[in-house]
Amino acid sequence: KNEVEQSPQNLTAQEGEFITINCSYSVGISALHWLQQHPGGGIVSLFMLSSGKKKHGRLIATINIQEKHSSLHITASHPRDSAVYICAVLPPMNRDDKIIFGKGTRLHILP
Amino acid sequence: DAGVTQSPTHLIKTRGQQVTLRCSPKSGHDTVSWYQQALGQGPQFIFQYYEEEERQRGNFPDRFSGHQFPNYSSELNVNALLLGDSALYLCASSRTGGGWDTEAFFGQGTRLTVV
Repeated sequence: KNEVEQSPQNLTAQEGEFITINCSYSVGISALHWLQQHPGGGIVSLFMLSSGKKKHGRLIATINIQEKHSSLHITASHPRDSAVYICAVLPPMNRDDKIIFGKGTRLHILP
Repeated sequence: DAGVTQSPTHLIKTRGQQVTLRCSPKSGHDTVSWYQQALGQGPQFIFQYYEEEERQRGNFPDRFSGHQFPNYSSELNVNALLLGDSALYLCASSRTGGGWDTEAFFGQGTRLTVV
């Protein structure tokens, strides 16, 4: 079982729909990152979370440390939101473990 | 600010050859991390450089080596290329050896194809 699991793997939705992408992890973490990867490879860091909730424009990220789960929400989705969304977890600062990435969720928003 | 720049953007090599990929970090960043991303997979951590030394390393063989220069730019070298080394190689930079506890910026990647 992967230490970081994302769901769904693929998601196609109509423009304007509310999108939720989930990330579950099985290791202790100090922070969790949500990343956006556009076709061609470039990655943009959307959020870094260690507790609670963050909002940036139409994007909202939440994390529940006790349940080892995070969600990324997109409100009023738009075709330009089409990308791969990747969850990555950072181990606790006192451990020499490495950052672990999920396999990504491929989102396609239809106009 | 040019952000993180990687070169080349695309590269085709033959099995057994050696390749060098380059990364210039974002201005003000001193830490560079390298990742390998196979098609349809999440990135895998290769190693991280800070103060011209390798600080952390993922589960990659010794064929993968790197270097960081005094200006914080970095190179990733892969020797004896295998077909399985075909992937997108991503570089990320951050501040003061912080790795991912500070905000990291990614380059556009170098797509390596081994034939």
